Amino acid sequence: GQQLNQSPQSMFIQEGEDVSMNCTSSSIFNTWLWYKQDPGEGPVLLIALYKAGELTSNGRLTAQFGITRKDSFLNISASIPSDVGIYFCAGQWGSGNQFYFGTGTSLTVIP
Amino acid sequence: GAVVSQHPSRVICKSGTSVKIECRSLDFQATTMFWYRQFPKQSLMLMATSNEGSKATYEQGVEKDKFLINHASLTLSTLTVTSAHPEDSSFYICSARVPGGRYTQYFGPGTRLTVL
Repeated sequence: GQQLNQSPQSMFIQEGEDVSMNCTSSSIFNTWLWYKQDPGEGPVLLIALYKAGELTSNGRLTAQFGITRKDSFLNISASIPSDVGIYFCAGQWGSGNQFYFGTGTSLTVIP
Repeated sequence: GAVVSQHPSRVICKSGTSVKIECRSLDFQATTMFWYRQFPKQSLMLMATSNEGSKATYEQGVEKDKFLINHASLTLSTLTVTSAHPEDSSFYICSARVPGGRYTQYFGPGTRLTVL
């Protein structure tokens, strides 16, 4: 199936720094979801986006639905050690259709 | 957010045996559930879409006779790995679609299957 490209593949940052990651697709999507996965656990939903240009926050996390509808961005401000994990984007082009998942961004926060 | 549970969280079995994994939506009714497989350090791979009261839809390359899916109620879907072999060892994760409104899906905690 289709896979979304996430960038960067991995990040190593100092605690307190801001983080930016993005997800791109060759297809237009109507819905973008962002998840965080800890080792040995299922992904946890962070933010859902439903409209092009939409900007949504969840605490220190902010995500945007790209205006072209082919990309999405996730920012984490003032990172802390518990932000460590793998972040996945997921896109869907029509209700009832499956979500396609990104390749993941592994985040390491150095105290 | 909505809560999805999976049982068991870990299972070790002998080659040739069958293993059943349960996925439950605890606080909502899910007409659609999804089963994923995840290899170490990789993304989630959709195996099949499970619809309540009808046959599951399998992704290309997934053997439906190998991975039996049953979605008998609005809160329970099961995945049975039949005649398991070591190459079936993996992390299996289910998700459930929240009905109504905007489309969102929530994941279970996953099941680690090890086939000896």
